[in-house]
Amino acid sequence: KAGVTQTPRYLIKTRGQQVTLSCSPISGHRSVSWYQQTPGQGLQFLFEYFSETQRNKGNFPGRFSGRQFSNSRSEMNVSTLELGDSALYLCASSPDTSGYGYTFGSGTRLTVV
Amino acid sequence: GQNIDQPTEMTATEGAIVQINCTYQTSGFNGLFWYQQHAGEAPTFLSYNVLDGLEEKGRFSSFLSRSKGYSYLLLKELQMKDSASYLCAASNDYKLSFGAGTTVTVRA
Repeated sequence: KAGVTQTPRYLIKTRGQQVTLSCSPISGHRSVSWYQQTPGQGLQFLFEYFSETQRNKGNFPGRFSGRQFSNSRSEMNVSTLELGDSALYLCASSPDTSGYGYTFGSGTRLTVV
Repeated sequence: GQNIDQPTEMTATEGAIVQINCTYQTSGFNGLFWYQQHAGEAPTFLSYNVLDGLEEKGRFSSFLSRSKGYSYLLLKELQMKDSASYLCAASNDYKLSFGAGTTVTVRA
C-alpha cells in the first residue's frame, strides 16, 4: 500500500513568487491535513480537508490556501512568498475523522531566497 | 487555545528506559498521538491513545489519563537508533496540536 506522496521534495523560490505543493493521500483516505514545520515554531496546523470541504484552518495569513479534489488529492498554495515561509511542509492523510491511521508524507522542503 | 507541554531534552544510556511526559490542555479533545521524528525526516506514527490506560507495542508503550490531561511515552531497551525527536500531539477539531518535541539522545 503506497504511503502519502508529496511533490516536489525540495523547492527553492524567490521572495514575492508563489508556489503550489501537492499531496496524494493513501488510497481510501478522505481526510488530508497540511502542517508547517520550522525550527522556531515547531509543527503548526495549516488546514484540513475532507471530501473537498475545508473543515478547519489554522492561524496563517490569507496567502496560504488549499483545496482538495474529488479523488482526495490536495494542493496548497502560498502566494507572495516571504523569507519566513521557508519551512518543511507536511501533508497527512487519514481514512476518516477518528484519528486512526493518521499518516504523514515525507514533506516538501521550501526555501525562499 | 491548546497548550501541549513536554520536556525539551532527555539523555539515556543504551539498554535503559526513558519516559517522556506530556501534559495538554485542549478543548474538544479526541485522543493523543506520539510520533518519532529523525532529523530531516517526516514524523512517523508511534501510538494513538483514545481511552485511559496503557497501550504496549513492543519496546514502546504509551499511557493516557484524560482526567489529568497527561500522557507519557515509555521507551524500553533503548537503542542508538532511538535517538530522535519525540512529538506529543493532541487531536481535536480535525487537527493535531503538537508540543515542541523532546529530543532523546541515546549514549553508548
